[in-house]
Amino acid sequence: AQSVTQLGSHVSVSEGALVLLRCNYSSSVPPYLFWYVQYPNQGLQLLLKYTSAATLVKGINGFEAEFKKSETSFHLTKPSAHMSDAAEYFCAVSDRNAGNNRKLIWGLGTSLAVNP
Amino acid sequence: NAGVTQTPKFQVLKTGQSMTLQCAQDMNHNSMYWYRQDPGMGLRLIYYSASEGTTDKGEVPNGYNVSRLNKREFSLRLESAAPSQTSVYFCASSSNPGSYNEQFFGPGTRLTVL
Repeated sequence: AQSVTQLGSHVSVSEGALVLLRCNYSSSVPPYLFWYVQYPNQGLQLLLKYTSAATLVKGINGFEAEFKKSETSFHLTKPSAHMSDAAEYFCAVSDRNAGNNRKLIWGLGTSLAVNP
Repeated sequence: NAGVTQTPKFQVLKTGQSMTLQCAQDMNHNSMYWYRQDPGMGLRLIYYSASEGTTDKGEVPNGYNVSRLNKREFSLRLESAAPSQTSVYFCASSSNPGSYNEQFFGPGTRLTVL
């Protein structure tokens, strides 16, 4: 069965510092992978997705993630944090062989705080 | 293009009351989902509908029922609300088959059961 682990439920960085949010997955075949962001009192918004094209995926707001099959990881990074990046971030995986009943398996989320 | 809309945005119920959460999408998506979000527990799937006319249980279906009214609308009903159902509820949709199952989310309904 697929699973997703996000290491660190809370991450705090200074404004301008590197953001690194960790996501590891378990899957028998390379899955589709997603990062979503949730700002306070809002729904979830897709940041980026990996669908087996380039392993380095660029998303919105300067975020990117790299798919590493050997490490079963899909960590999210941003070179320089901005105050507006403070939010909850979710990693999710989808089984590409699941046909029409494809669902997303979600990590528990990482809350990112950005300090001035 | 409104995307995924949910009503109401907020609701307070007393234990034992019933209510229906409404969800609609205007993206012609085949699949729709209902999640609940609780602190420290991430998103948990309640029910989903892979296509019009079908519904399936997710990981936490007890106490809920759903109706896929048509391709656009997917409602979630609480027949007898309990305090344990206090949560934020999100509806989502995706375009299947042939997609990567990227899901699009509504703004959520904050439900409090007293």
